[in-house]
Amino acid sequence: QITLKESGPTLVKPTQTLTLTCTFSGFSLSTSGVGVGWIRQPPGKALEWLALIYWDDDKRYSPSLKSRLTITKDTSKNQVVLTMTNMDPVDTATYYCAHTPRGSGARFDYWGQGTLVTVSS
Amino acid sequence: QSVLTQPPSLSAAPGQRVTISCSGSSSNIGNNYVSWYQQLPGTAPKLLIYDNGKRPSGIPDRFSGSKSGTSATLGITGLQTGDEADYYCGTWDSSLRTVVFGGGTKLTVL
Repeated sequence: QITLKESGPTLVKPTQTLTLTCTFSGFSLSTSGVGVGWIRQPPGKALEWLALIYWDDDKRYSPSLKSRLTITKDTSKNQVVLTMTNMDPVDTATYYCAHTPRGSGARFDYWGQGTLVTVSS
Repeated sequence: QSVLTQPPSLSAAPGQRVTISCSGSSSNIGNNYVSWYQQLPGTAPKLLIYDNGKRPSGIPDRFSGSKSGTSATLGITGLQTGDEADYYCGTWDSSLRTVVFGGGTKLTVL
């Protein structure tokens, strides 16, 4: 079965760079049509999409955060890494990674449990 | 301010039917598939509906989805206390070139 799990720091200081890793099993990012996305949710607020990467290394970013985000994949390790620069307290949120089929719009059919990242000095 | 508009909250009694609306525009709902998610307290979102009205395996047929023009609707029949959750709609926005989600609807079953 498909599983995903996010890992990374729980606390980062303002201006620092956040690096989150999504480790998955049950599928391969070298398989045609497969993608992994990152979505975040500030406490008590709505979901916000951040980035997507597909099996062919096609990458998509949220326009409002594009300058701060980088998404990469390591197919051999079954991992996707998201980096976000210049962290600010407003970036405090639970960060989720999720599996998505290519061309499916906002269809995220398997999600990780999420990891809460707090930005504070 | 979310690109997709949902009612912030709804309430209904057990056994009743409820519909949750999601309003957008031609650049998102009007020309792309809509998905719906259920988020129980303290858990990750779960896919309920995709491609406007399809259910993933394991999702009961009490949950249904539809789309008309630039709006989508999630329907839940035979409400149960376990359906108390936040519900989100989502789709691709062709103009913004981004995935967009609604602001979420908190469903209370009382």
